[in-house]
Amino acid sequence: DIVMTQSPDSLAVSLGEGATINCKSSQSVLNTSNNKNYLAWYQQKPGQPPKLLIYWASTRESGVPDRFSGSGSGTDFTLTISSLQAEDVAVYYCQQYYTTPQTFGQGTKVEIK
Amino acid sequence: QLVESGGGVVQPGRSLRLSCAASGFTFNNYAMHWVRQAPGKGLEWVAVISYDGSNKHYADSVKGRFTISRDNSKNTLYLQMNSLRAEDTAVYYCARSPDGGNVGLGRYYYMDVWGKGTTVTVSS
Repeated sequence: DIVMTQSPDSLAVSLGEGATINCKSSQSVLNTSNNKNYLAWYQQKPGQPPKLLIYWASTRESGVPDRFSGSGSGTDFTLTISSLQAEDVAVYYCQQYYTTPQTFGQGTKVEIK
Repeated sequence: QLVESGGGVVQPGRSLRLSCAASGFTFNNYAMHWVRQAPGKGLEWVAVISYDGSNKHYADSVKGRFTISRDNSKNTLYLQMNSLRAEDTAVYYCARSPDGGNVGLGRYYYMDVWGKGTTVTVSS
């Protein structure tokens, strides 16, 4: 199984400041036949289901604010929130869908400093 | 929209069947997932089924005990859970995959639409 490891486990950021979450996979999730990274990011607020933010490592889902961006390739990926807003307080998960079983990172909790 | 139902409190070793009613999209065009979240824990993928029900994959933790199925005539996804254990206690979400799945390769995509979840508690 592909193991997804996020860092840090939690971070506190001042409003308006940037936040960076890292995600590392135990093996590459890049499909060289189509040059796509099978990596998604989700946001989960308390008491709510997860919400898709990013897929193919860097494609923003429709309706997601452009302060959210994804980058990386192969085994190392990053979710960046460029200017943290109060409504961004949540747990963020990366997920690989390169192969089954699909696997998630352990989550990163983002709070306001 | 996805609406799960069928959760509840069940004793270890017993069975439960979850349902997920889909609306607002052409259900039989899409692969579907079940994902669970134990109390205070992260997300765990459980199972996926192709658009036509011909291909299914399971997490090792549920293989042989859980069965994913679908009835496209009723726009409904199911999860039959047998031999339940305390560690199966979780909120169970159904989620849509953005396409039908590559049955030949057994490859499925991310989850773009999620239900609100149904809670399963396994306890004596």
